[in-house]
Amino acid sequence: GAGVSQSPSNKVTEKGKDVELRCDPISGHTALYWYRQSLGQGLEFLIYFQGNSAPDKSGLPSDRFSAERTGGSVSTLTIQRTQQEDSAVYLCASSYRTSAYNEQFFGPGTRLTVL
Amino acid sequence: KNQVEQSPQSLIILEGKNCTLQCNYTVSPFSNLRWYKQDTGRGPVSLTIMTFSENTKSNGRYTATLDADTKQSSLHITASQLSDSASYICVVSASEGNNRLAFGKGNQVVVIP
Repeated sequence: GAGVSQSPSNKVTEKGKDVELRCDPISGHTALYWYRQSLGQGLEFLIYFQGNSAPDKSGLPSDRFSAERTGGSVSTLTIQRTQQEDSAVYLCASSYRTSAYNEQFFGPGTRLTVL
Repeated sequence: KNQVEQSPQSLIILEGKNCTLQCNYTVSPFSNLRWYKQDTGRGPVSLTIMTFSENTKSNGRYTATLDADTKQSSLHITASQLSDSASYICVVSASEGNNRLAFGKGNQVVVIP
C-alpha cells in the first residue's frame, strides 16, 4: 500500500516568508509525528498528534512553528517568518497506534532551504 | 547530552567486507531499540527491533545485538554491497510517554567498489 507522502519534496524560500509543509500519513494510522533533521544532527522531535487528543507541541522550537491535523489524517506544518536556521529536512512519520512497539513509518521528507 | 550516542560517525568500507556500528544509550526505562537505514534523500526505514529480552536479531545481511545491562547495541553488516551506503540510525524508545523516540545522529557508511 501507499506509504507516508510529503510535499513539496524541496522548498526554497526567502528569509521572512511563511512556508507550509504537507504530510499524508498511511491510511488508518492514528498517530502522526513531525521531526526536523539538520545536517549532521539526529532527528529532532517537533510535534505529535494522536487521534482526537490535544497534540504534544513540546518539541516546537519557537512560536513561529505550528501544525494542524485535519480530520485525523493530513497534517500541515507551518513555519512563519522563516529564518536561515530553519533550513533542514522536515520528516513526517505515522504509526498505527501510540505504543513503544509500534513502528513509525517515515515519509521522504521536505528539504527546506531559507535564503 | 544526547541519550543515544553512535560510533563511528562515518566509515568507508570496501564492497564485500563486513563492518560493525555501535550504539550506546542512556534512555530509561527502556522499551525497545530499533536500527533504521536512511538512504540519501529518503526517510528512515526500520531494519530491526529488539526488546529488553532479546539480544540478537537478524534481517538478511544485517545483524543487531543488544546488551540491555550495559545499554549497548551494535549493527553488523555482512558482505557489504554498494546499496548499503546510507546512514544507520539507532533509535531507542522509552516504556513511558507518547512513543517519544530518542535518536542517535547516525553512522554514515560508504561502500566503495
